Amino acid sequence: NFMLTQPHSVSESPGKTVTISCTRSSGSIASVYVQWYQHRPGSSPTTVIYENKQRPSGVPDRFSGSIDSSSNSASLTISGLKTEDEADYYCQSSDRGKWVFGGGTRLTVL
Amino acid sequence: QVHLVQSGAEVKKPGASMKVSCEASGYTFINYYIHWVRQAPGQGLEWMGIINPSGGSPRYAQKFQGRVTMTSDTSASTVYMELRNLRSEDTAVYYCARWGYYLDFWGQGTLVTVSS
Repeated sequence: NFMLTQPHSVSESPGKTVTISCTRSSGSIASVYVQWYQHRPGSSPTTVIYENKQRPSGVPDRFSGSIDSSSNSASLTISGLKTEDEADYYCQSSDRGKWVFGGGTRLTVL
Repeated sequence: QVHLVQSGAEVKKPGASMKVSCEASGYTFINYYIHWVRQAPGQGLEWMGIINPSGGSPRYAQKFQGRVTMTSDTSASTVYMELRNLRSEDTAVYYCARWGYYLDFWGQGTLVTVSS
């Protein structure tokens, strides 16, 4: 099976832009869609990006997703950071129907 | 509106079994797969498996094979996740979530504590 590696934490100031990476250990990042989830303490997770770059309705366009085959990684970019964006973010993909989550990245907006 | 309502918190002893329910409402139950995801204290999200409420074999994460069973009751619009032979490392919040093109609705989570 493969792993998805994320930075443990990132921090940035309100109004700025932050990018969270998610690197796939084996197999092509482009072979299966990547999703991104936001998880605030005390709440259930929510999907912020699906199918690499699609945003569910209600998710602001400040959130965007992409993949880069050269680095075999996916990225979640959040622009115009707000304090409410402070949360844990997880990437997720799959292999032969079995899902894998990245370890999660704690975003601090300060 | 769509709702997934999970059963309440449980405390279990090591070696026991747990069974969490996830009751769906507001949509056609058999039309959407349900995933189960858990989060242990201080840890990340962990995928446990997926079930098609209309039938067919569930698919489980390798880690839980042999210890987990996911079932559905279409008459009650409810899916169940049973985990057996519990150990302290199974202490976690367990979530069910509906799969459309993505996980679009989640249950509120069920805290299961495994402690002697």
